[in-house]
Amino acid sequence: DTGVSQDPRHKITKRGQNVTFRCDPISEHNRLYWYRQTLGQGPEFLTYFQNEAQLEKSRLLSDRFSAERPKGSFSTLEIQRTEQGDSAMYLCASTIAGATYNEQFFGPGTRLTVL
Amino acid sequence: AQSVTQLGSHVSVSEGALVLLRCNYSSSVPPYLFWYVQYPNQGLQLLLKYTSAATLVKGINGFEAEFKKSETSFHLTKPSAHMSDAAEYFCAVSQNGANNLFFGTGTRLTVIP
Repeated sequence: DTGVSQDPRHKITKRGQNVTFRCDPISEHNRLYWYRQTLGQGPEFLTYFQNEAQLEKSRLLSDRFSAERPKGSFSTLEIQRTEQGDSAMYLCASTIAGATYNEQFFGPGTRLTVL
Repeated sequence: AQSVTQLGSHVSVSEGALVLLRCNYSSSVPPYLFWYVQYPNQGLQLLLKYTSAATLVKGINGFEAEFKKSETSFHLTKPSAHMSDAAEYFCAVSQNGANNLFFGTGTRLTVIP
């Protein structure tokens, strides 16, 4: 397994368009996270899934954002009616949920630019 | 609530010099603390983690960090900087290690030849 992968790596779109990103976690990982990283800032938590269930959503995740993990494997993050403020790096991470700490492995991210 | 503060958005050191990147945390419960490194156009890579075992934690690439509860700090150090250490470093905290991470704003490390 080559790790967490994200597609596309870069996306340029015009304001008002919809975009969708995909994340493929490490195959045996049952927990998947989405983070957003803006320029000069650390990553900020958006949401996470355990298997196919979305267990937590940040207040950052407005109504225009929706995430799914339909079969408990890959996940998609959709942004509707994009705004310039959505421009950021969107990071995905995965891990195995357990009683003790398990490292979150991060993908390379999808950089979104909204014109 | 949990948060981390990284003092110094940019740190420059000479090659071979000591690296010290500062992180202070705020947590209402015993925290799990982490340092991640991010190279340009790459994802985050875990350097080391504190999970309430030994207070001095050794990580990859010669980095280590010491958990000091009295100072609410988790500073990252490396005795001798290498050119390949130039990157962005993020401190992060988690309530129980199994949930989402709260990151600091990052420190960009520059290594001067």
